[in-house]
Amino acid sequence: KNQVEQSPQSLIILEGKNCTLQCNYTVSPFSNLRWYKQDTGRGPVSLTIMTFSENTKSNGRYTATLDADTKQSSLHITASQLSDSASYICVVTLLSGGYNKLIFGAGTRLAVHP
Amino acid sequence: EPEVTQTPSHQVTQMGQEVILRCVPISNHLYFYWYRQILGQKVEFLVSFYNNEISEKSEIFDDQFSVERPDGSNFTLKIRSTKLEDSAMYFCASSEHGQGSEAFFGQGTRLTVV
Repeated sequence: KNQVEQSPQSLIILEGKNCTLQCNYTVSPFSNLRWYKQDTGRGPVSLTIMTFSENTKSNGRYTATLDADTKQSSLHITASQLSDSASYICVVTLLSGGYNKLIFGAGTRLAVHP
Repeated sequence: EPEVTQTPSHQVTQMGQEVILRCVPISNHLYFYWYRQILGQKVEFLVSFYNNEISEKSEIFDDQFSVERPDGSNFTLKIRSTKLEDSAMYFCASSEHGQGSEAFFGQGTRLTVV
């Protein structure tokens, strides 16, 4: 069964600190892996997208890693800001007929406190 | 920056009524999607649409659901006879190309069935 599991479920950190969020997936056939940020009541916004041949990708203070052999990914947030408080969702694209079929994880809810 | 827009932002309807959720995808995009997120749960794929036809639909997308691209700009999701369990956030997404192409999400329509 195609699944995306994330940990931790929630996380509280202090402003300025770093954190790392984890994602494990069992999606096959795999096309790519994405990390999205979702503010409460809003649509997901893409942070990074990686194919199986890429093992790291950065977008500002966000750095994603991918190990396609172990089917694990992580999202590292550096020097957190209050505005980083949101859900971070790991999404794996299923290779399916030429379009994007996205399999979503449940997300990690991050709270950054002053 | 181009964006996917959805209307209305919030819709309240009585059980058994028909609702139409509207989306305007990014203008040069060719692939369109609907996803839903029940409160507190994962985002789930409903349907993908390309070249004026459904590419794939999930088991959630039963006969009470339909999609349409009535003109060159709008993409709609119709729920024929709403049930309480249809209450969710519905997200429209679009991408320029198929697989591997970034999917841009709208802000969502919160549907409440009473």
